[in-house]
Amino acid sequence: GAVVSQHPSWVICKSGTSVKIECRSLDFQATTMFWYRQFPKQSLMLMATSNEGSKATYEQGVEKDKFLINHASLTLSTLTVTSAHPEDSSFYICSATTGDSNQPQHFGDGTRLSIL
Amino acid sequence: AQSVTQPDIHITVSEGASLELRCNYSYGATPYLFWYVQSPGQGLQLLLKYFSGDTLVQGIKGFEAEFKRSQSSFNLRKPSVHWSDAAEYFCAVGAKAAGNKLTFGGGTRVLVKP
Repeated sequence: GAVVSQHPSWVICKSGTSVKIECRSLDFQATTMFWYRQFPKQSLMLMATSNEGSKATYEQGVEKDKFLINHASLTLSTLTVTSAHPEDSSFYICSATTGDSNQPQHFGDGTRLSIL
Repeated sequence: AQSVTQPDIHITVSEGASLELRCNYSYGATPYLFWYVQSPGQGLQLLLKYFSGDTLVQGIKGFEAEFKRSQSSFNLRKPSVHWSDAAEYFCAVGAKAAGNKLTFGGGTRVLVKP
């Protein structure tokens, strides 16, 4: 149980394009989803918290106009990297939780984004 | 604010030997504590979690962790390591008061020698 699917797993695109990453909870309802960024050989950095039906809450230093997050249903959240540039290249990981205080976050397999 | 320290960046262990990964946290109230494992290019898999109750927690793949409040630690152990345990391990702390957001340690990379 508690499976989170993230798609695509790898994307390469040209500078200036926008890229959408999907995060789906397959067998549970995710009230809250989180988006992380991970640089090579580093830990995870929380970018934003997404609650179903409301605006995402961004961490300090994360540009909300660059990283658009939508959590339109209890099983789907999307992260759109707008007008992507090479410095946006990274490994992006989502997680999902029911929101109950005694439930852990379950993670997707990540998306490797490469901007040329 | 929450913080997590994993003092060991790399650990090399022989297959069959025991493993202990250290984790120290800083948080004003009783935290929720987690250990996750990440294989290269993959997401994170939950090994075990502590919310309350018994301070010795059993997880998957033969791992266990012990919460020691007096030492602000949550060290991960495995009695006998398998080659498939080579991966990156992350300790994380969360709290309901923080909106269940997790703060991760820097990670410990485990290498397993044959």
